[in-house]
Amino acid sequence: GAGVSQTPSNKVTEKGKYVELRCDPISGHTALYWYRQSLGQGPEFLIYFQGTGAADDSGLPNDRFFAVRPEGSVSTLKIQRTERGDSAVYLCASRWTSGRRNNEQFFGPGTRLTVL
Amino acid sequence: QKEVEQNSGPLSVPEGAIASLNCTYSDRGSQSFFWYRQYSGKSPELIMFIYSNGDKEDGRFTAQLNKASQYVSLLIRDSQPSDSATYLCAVNVGFGNEKLTFGTGTRLTIIP
Repeated sequence: GAGVSQTPSNKVTEKGKYVELRCDPISGHTALYWYRQSLGQGPEFLIYFQGTGAADDSGLPNDRFFAVRPEGSVSTLKIQRTERGDSAVYLCASRWTSGRRNNEQFFGPGTRLTVL
Repeated sequence: QKEVEQNSGPLSVPEGAIASLNCTYSDRGSQSFFWYRQYSGKSPELIMFIYSNGDKEDGRFTAQLNKASQYVSLLIRDSQPSDSATYLCAVNVGFGNEKLTFGTGTRLTIIP
């Protein structure tokens, strides 16, 4: 079956511009996560959705970052007034939630964002 | 102190030998522990997860957890060149949220 998909795969923008990154989770997965991975680092948590609501946005670095998931499926990560330090691979992951402890997160291929 | 610490490597292991990857974590409330493999330019994929103290085996992989020492490891037996990748240790502190805190990863190279 289809995995997590992310678009675009690459995004180059100029400092100060606005960007939107899209994530399409695995069908039926109610939990959705955004992570950011800089070169040589592990993924860093940004935000977690359970259904339509942001259950935990403690990882968003500042108010330039915002994410939505209006219908509980596709999510969009929005970055305003981009800075060179925002350059990274943005990873989306989804998970099927149940009463069980098996809680594998399936990652998408990522969007590589470059801010010039 | 970082929340999840790993030796960044690179770790070089001859083909057929055992590769040992280590990870320590700082939050004693951590409940679940994961090992992800990440090939260069690709996204992380889950290798193993472990919740309870002791060993958990899956094929050539064994995860070991010691909560008292706040230590988790991954052993790869009969290492193959295809095992060459970065291995990420990840931790979460409880159920119902499941956000992962990752280490920086250990780069493993299997030498033919």
